[in-house]
Amino acid sequence: GAVVSQHPSRVICKSGTSVKIECRSLDFQATTMFWYRQFPKKSLMLMATSNEGSKATYEQGVEKDKFLINHASLTLSTLTVTSAHPEDSSFYICSARQVSGNTIYFGEGSWLTVV
Amino acid sequence: AQSVTQPDIHITVSEGASLELRCNYSYGATPYLFWYVQSPGQGLQLLLKYFSGDTLVQGIKGFEAEFKRSQSSFNLRKPSVHWSDAAEYFCAVGLTGTASKLTFGTGTRLQVTL
Repeated sequence: GAVVSQHPSRVICKSGTSVKIECRSLDFQATTMFWYRQFPKKSLMLMATSNEGSKATYEQGVEKDKFLINHASLTLSTLTVTSAHPEDSSFYICSARQVSGNTIYFGEGSWLTVV
Repeated sequence: AQSVTQPDIHITVSEGASLELRCNYSYGATPYLFWYVQSPGQGLQLLLKYFSGDTLVQGIKGFEAEFKRSQSSFNLRKPSVHWSDAAEYFCAVGLTGTASKLTFGTGTRLQVTL
């Protein structure tokens, strides 16, 4: 089946720094990818929709200047958490939809810890 | 806006027993419906999905789910649970026409006793 890979799987950064998380579709093209955030013992919250070649669409309440999303190619979307704070610590998961078909594939997730 | 309710936060079953995880959704039309499983610290794995057609859907790992329009439900079932099924289960709904943008339920944590 289709594979979506996230990197890094775990990252620790200092407060005030920026950290980038990559989401790659390994064996298919994805014009649209999605970024979710999952708080401990909570459900997944959609943050934004990443569109290849255009600006991301952010959900209400998500700071676009803080969570920068870039979808540079049909197989790569990046999420950059800028000026990270401890409250940004969370599990971030991306998903990608094949250009053909309606199946969504999720990445393995990335644990971000801000100290 | 669509919403998903998983009324059971935590369920414990004995290995070999049957399982049913409940999921109710709220949406004006027929949505796309999904069940995902998440092991601790891991991403999501698709168990099964319903788009249209036969309302009883078969998935991986012996799971099935039944779409009941009259009850706005999409409950997940397994006739005999294995210890390896212990995980968090999420029901999700996607808008018809765009099955990509998903709204998730709060999840049900399944514990399996030996």
